[in-house]
Amino acid sequence: QKEVEQNSGPLSVPEGAIASLNCTYSDRVSQSFFWYRQYSGKSPELIMSIYSNGDKEDGRFTAQLNKASQYVSLLIRDSQPSDSATYLCAVNSWRGGTSYGKLTFGQGTILTVHP
Amino acid sequence: DTGVSQDPRHKITKRGQNVTFRCDPISEHNRLYWYRQTLGQGPEFLTYFQNEAQLEKSRLLSDRFSAERPKGSFSTLEIQRTEQGDSAMYLCASSLGAGKETQYFGPGTRLLVL
Repeated sequence: QKEVEQNSGPLSVPEGAIASLNCTYSDRVSQSFFWYRQYSGKSPELIMSIYSNGDKEDGRFTAQLNKASQYVSLLIRDSQPSDSATYLCAVNSWRGGTSYGKLTFGQGTILTVHP
Repeated sequence: DTGVSQDPRHKITKRGQNVTFRCDPISEHNRLYWYRQTLGQGPEFLTYFQNEAQLEKSRLLSDRFSAERPKGSFSTLEIQRTEQGDSAMYLCASSLGAGKETQYFGPGTRLLVL
């Protein structure tokens, strides 16, 4: 089992729809969760971070975390063609009360928003 | 712009040559990370520094790879005797550390080994 798994893509949604991206992780001590967006040929760009169970909203983006189910998701409302990119889920683990440092990434989900 | 910077942005080299990449983190960020990303995959952790101390190295980091962060500022990643399998995007990220673990990535260095 991979440490961080994302729903297989590619995911295609029409403009204006809600895009739903999912991620599961295997390490129960994971404490910090991140969503990055990566355009083709570019480096990852941070979209959202979430640390506590529940929802966190930022503009058109909502991150949802359920630690009991070891599940984190990203919803993109009113999807735009400019949202077309690869979305990476990343997890940071803690040991002994401090951050372990490294991020473990999923393989990414390619999102295409068509007009 | 005071984001993470990397140099060079692209590097083409022949198999067997040595290459060195540089990363300048966001100022006042104590932690600096190196990742490698191949096509269709998420970034894979290589190593990270807390100030000048190298705290962890991945098993991916073979003996041909070495990283330094002198004086806790910029960092260099050197690959000796490059192999075609080293072709990838090498990403540098930095964070404040001390519980503030949001990592911000630089533009990356794309390496092609012929």
